[in-house]
Amino acid sequence: ETGVTQTPRHLVMGMTNKKSLKCEQHLGHNAMYWYKQSAKKPLELMFVYNFKEQTENNSVPSRFSPECPNSSHLFLHLHTLQPEDSALYLCASRQTPRGTPEAFFGQGTRLTVV
Amino acid sequence: QQPVQSPQAVILREGEDAVINCSSSKALYSVHWYRQKHGEAPVFLMILLKGGEQKGHDKISASFNEKKQQSSLYLTASQLSYSGTYFCGTEIIGYKLSFGAGTTVTVRA
Repeated sequence: ETGVTQTPRHLVMGMTNKKSLKCEQHLGHNAMYWYKQSAKKPLELMFVYNFKEQTENNSVPSRFSPECPNSSHLFLHLHTLQPEDSALYLCASRQTPRGTPEAFFGQGTRLTVV
Repeated sequence: QQPVQSPQAVILREGEDAVINCSSSKALYSVHWYRQKHGEAPVFLMILLKGGEQKGHDKISASFNEKKQQSSLYLTASQLSYSGTYFCGTEIIGYKLSFGAGTTVTVRA
């Protein structure tokens, strides 16, 4: 138990569906991250939020839409996804300023696009 | 800018040593090391800040060469529990934490 909770753990969706991934942390961290983990690929940084403000969008397609309503919650809204978007989506949080503590990861959501 | 890790995979027998390397083309503020076991979330091992420090975690240690923008993770006298995928994470500016492709370590009895 890392203190970062992601729901759902597994999700199967069609290419025309709209769904959302949720991440919640009660560690008091101010920075939250979305990463995509595909087989045999690096952990790809998607978005970074610091104090609810988006500080990084790593050239992610617009079919992925993040939302950070407060420092404890982070969402990833999905619509009209492609099969190549199937992956493990990991949320992480940490307390910045940079370079001090570690990132705490959630268990991830295993997404399958059919 | 994602760091480059090598090797991609390592197979060890219990008690053997291994080194995993991580390098960046940009000046780094910090380097993080994580281990992920199958089906689990990545777990933090250690962080190294610029200044060329070296840290240890049980028999796992790491170094950071600030001039070369390189870090190495040392697995000493490996145990079965060391099996997993090791990721280095690098921080350049702001809060952006980018990870390498990972090194899969398999320790056999």
